[in-house]
Amino acid sequence: GQQVMQIPQYQHVQEGEDFTTYCNSSTTLSNIQWYKQRPGGHPVFLIQLVKSGEVKKQKRLTFQFGEAKKNSSLHITATQTTDVGTYFCAGPNYKAAGNKLTFGGGTRVLVKP
Amino acid sequence: DGGITQSPKYLFRKEGQNVTLSCEQNLNHDAMYWYRQDPGQGLRLIYYSQIVNDFQKGDIAEGYSVSREKKESFPLTVTSAQKNPTAFYLCASSIGGQGTYEQYFGPGTRLTVT
Repeated sequence: GQQVMQIPQYQHVQEGEDFTTYCNSSTTLSNIQWYKQRPGGHPVFLIQLVKSGEVKKQKRLTFQFGEAKKNSSLHITATQTTDVGTYFCAGPNYKAAGNKLTFGGGTRVLVKP
Repeated sequence: DGGITQSPKYLFRKEGQNVTLSCEQNLNHDAMYWYRQDPGQGLRLIYYSQIVNDFQKGDIAEGYSVSREKKESFPLTVTSAQKNPTAFYLCASSIGGQGTYEQYFGPGTRLTVT
């Protein structure tokens, strides 16, 4: 079945530094979504990418959809303590009834002040 | 004030007991979902419903049951057949059932079974 994998699983970042987390799908995706879950909280939708090669920015966060629509990345610049949490990517699974979303395992971001 | 509510936030049960987790949404969404999250892990789909009176098994449905009698409500029952029920349970909804739409999550219920 479809697999969505995220690397790294853990990201320790010094406050003020940049980092990138990656999401890779075993199948081509019609779209990819990113969610953020703060410690002890619930996932919150961040963004959706639809077009091949699409790049979207939200303040210090830059999201990119790969040209082949099988991978995506999230780049955070000048990391702040408010960026702490787990970032999940998710894509539709066309082989499943209802094209349900398949979530990656997440990248857990820890920020060192 | 629209959103998804889950109750209770924390739930404790003895082994062998069935327990029902509540999920209500006032977003007028057709699709609703139940996920399970274990510590440090991702989200695994238990059940989902694209429309009232219809639901499908997700990836880990064994030991769980659901109903969708109203558009607003999608309760999950964790039965005694679920071997490792202690987990964080998240309910979500979306406008449609396809993977095209963003999902809105409730605050979750932390279930502990001893």
